[in-house]
Amino acid sequence: GENVEQHPSTLSVQEGDSAVIKCTYSDSASNYFPWYKQELGKGPQLIIDIRSNVGEKKDQRIAVTLNKTAKHFSLHITETQPEDSAVYFCAASFAGSARQLTFGSGTQLTVLP
Amino acid sequence: DVKVTQSSRYLVKRTGEKVFLECVQDMDHENMFWYRQDPGLGLRLIYFSYDVKMKEKGDIPEGYSVSREKKERFSLILESASTNQTSMYLCASSFGGRIGEQFFGPGTRLTVL
Repeated sequence: GENVEQHPSTLSVQEGDSAVIKCTYSDSASNYFPWYKQELGKGPQLIIDIRSNVGEKKDQRIAVTLNKTAKHFSLHITETQPEDSAVYFCAASFAGSARQLTFGSGTQLTVLP
Repeated sequence: DVKVTQSSRYLVKRTGEKVFLECVQDMDHENMFWYRQDPGLGLRLIYFSYDVKMKEKGDIPEGYSVSREKKERFSLILESASTNQTSMYLCASSFGGRIGEQFFGPGTRLTVL
């Protein structure tokens, strides 16, 4: 099956700095790559996603880049704010199923004021 | 707004008990999922369903079963709870067709003593 590795497991940045989280995937047929944010006491919520026909997507302070050749994708958060502190999960579609996602192990991001 | 609700936020059960976790979504989604979340392991798929009375095994189905008698409701059943099933359980739902956003409930923290 699909395997998704996520790094780092924890990340601390100063408010206003940028944060980058990276993921690699194993299945070259994967074609959908979402990122989820999980705040304390809540379920994960989609913040941005990218499909394999594009290399980059931006939404205000958040961007995702995809390198299909190297099979990795990254989340970039610029001008970080305390409310960005949360656990972030990457995921990749599982080519064996039209509906299934495989998630990374998560990154605890802490934005220090 | 899409709403996915789970029957309990916290649950404490004894080893050997039969446990039911209920999930309800209000957006007429075809797909529903059960994940368990453990530190350092991310979200792992237990079972999913893409239609009423249909189910497919995920990555870790052992010790679990599911039921989907109505489109809006998806139940996770632990036939005989064990201490290694102590975890956070997350339910999610999504539209059918092309893979896309999954909407998560707030989770149920299950402790098996």
